[in-house]
Parts: sequence; structure tokens; C-alpha cells
Amino acid sequence: GAVVSQHPSWVICKSGTSVKIECRSLDFQATTMFWYRQFPKQSLMLMATSNEGSKATYEQGVEKDKFLINHASLTLSTLTVTSAHPEDSSFYICSARSSINQPQHFGDGTRLSIL
Amino acid sequence: EDKVVQSPLSLVVHEGDTVTLNCSYEVTNFRSLLWYKQEKKAPTFLFMLTSSGIEKKSGRLSSILDKKELFSILNITATQTGDSAVYLCAVAGTYKYIFGTGTRLKVLA
Repeated sequence: GAVVSQHPSWVICKSGTSVKIECRSLDFQATTMFWYRQFPKQSLMLMATSNEGSKATYEQGVEKDKFLINHASLTLSTLTVTSAHPEDSSFYICSARSSINQPQHFGDGTRLSIL
Repeated sequence: EDKVVQSPLSLVVHEGDTVTLNCSYEVTNFRSLLWYKQEKKAPTFLFMLTSSGIEKKSGRLSSILDKKELFSILNITATQTGDSAVYLCAVAGTYKYIFGTGTRLKVLA
């Protein structure tokens, strides 16, 4: 149980394009989903927290107009990197939990490369 | 400021060895401590600890939490090459997890 699917797993695109990443909880309802960014050999950095049906809460220093988050249903959240640039290249990971007392379960991550 | 510190940063052992990974924390509004294993992709959940002194066990892995001294350990017995990974400790505060930097474990055949 507790499977989180993230898609796509790898994206390469040109500078200036927008990229959408999907995160789905397959066998549970995720009241809260989280989006992280991870640089090589570093730990996970939380970008934002999203609760179903409400606006995402962004961490300090994360541009909400650049990283658009939508959590329209209890099983789906999306992260759109708008007008991506090479410095946005990174490993993006989503996680989901069913309730505050349950662990977060992570998707497999999306490796984003902007040329 | 909330922080989670893991040690050692990296470790190389031989198959069959036993390893102990450490995680200490200073987090306001502590709710739980979690251990994850990260290989090439995203972290996979191992344990969630909320009470002191109660060992959680799964096969060759076990973990325990000390809320008085603010630390946890993760033990792996009879290590195998498949245990090679980064082990992440996270503490759940009020709204989010605070992650340590991880311990990179390499098990040699």
C-alpha cells in the first residue's frame, strides 16, 4: 500500500518552456502533498505544501509564480515550472500523506534538465 | 532553528557487518521521527517512531527513539550489498519534515 506515482521521470527541454510534473497517490487519498527539490548529494529541500482544494503554502525563497502548484483532487497534485531556465535543472520529488499522523510517501522523482 | 544531524556522513562496510546510524535533533513541536532509504530514486519509507524506548523492527533493520536525549538510531544487521543507499532521518514538526543530510552507506561484497 501507500504508492505514489510521479510522472514524468525525466524531462529535457529548452530554456523558456514550461514543464508540468504530476504526482498521484494510487491507493490512498492524500489530504496533503509536498513538493521537494534535491541537488546532487544533498538532502531534500521542501518547496511547498499543498492541501486539497486550497492554495499551496510556499517555503521562504520559493517563487510561487515560477513554481505553480495545483492540488485539485485527493489523488493528484501538479507542479508546473514556468519559463524554465538552466538553473531550474534539478531532481524534483513529490510526497503525499493521508493524514497528519501518517508518514509521507514519496514518488520516484522527476529529473529536469533545461538546456 | 530546527535541525536534524546525522552521523556518520558516510560509511563503508563489508557484507555481514552490523552498522548503526545516528540521528540527533532539535525540533520544536516534535511529532515523530522517520527513517527513509534513498537509492537512485526517491526515498522509501522504513520506520516512523513516536514513542521513546520502543524498538521497531523490520527484518534486519531496527530503530529506536530516545525523546529525552533527542536522538534515534537505525541498526542494520548482517548487511548486504543491497543495503547500499543513503539513509535519511526526518523529524516531523508542526507542519513539515526537517531532514538530515543523510548517511551514505556502501556495503562491499
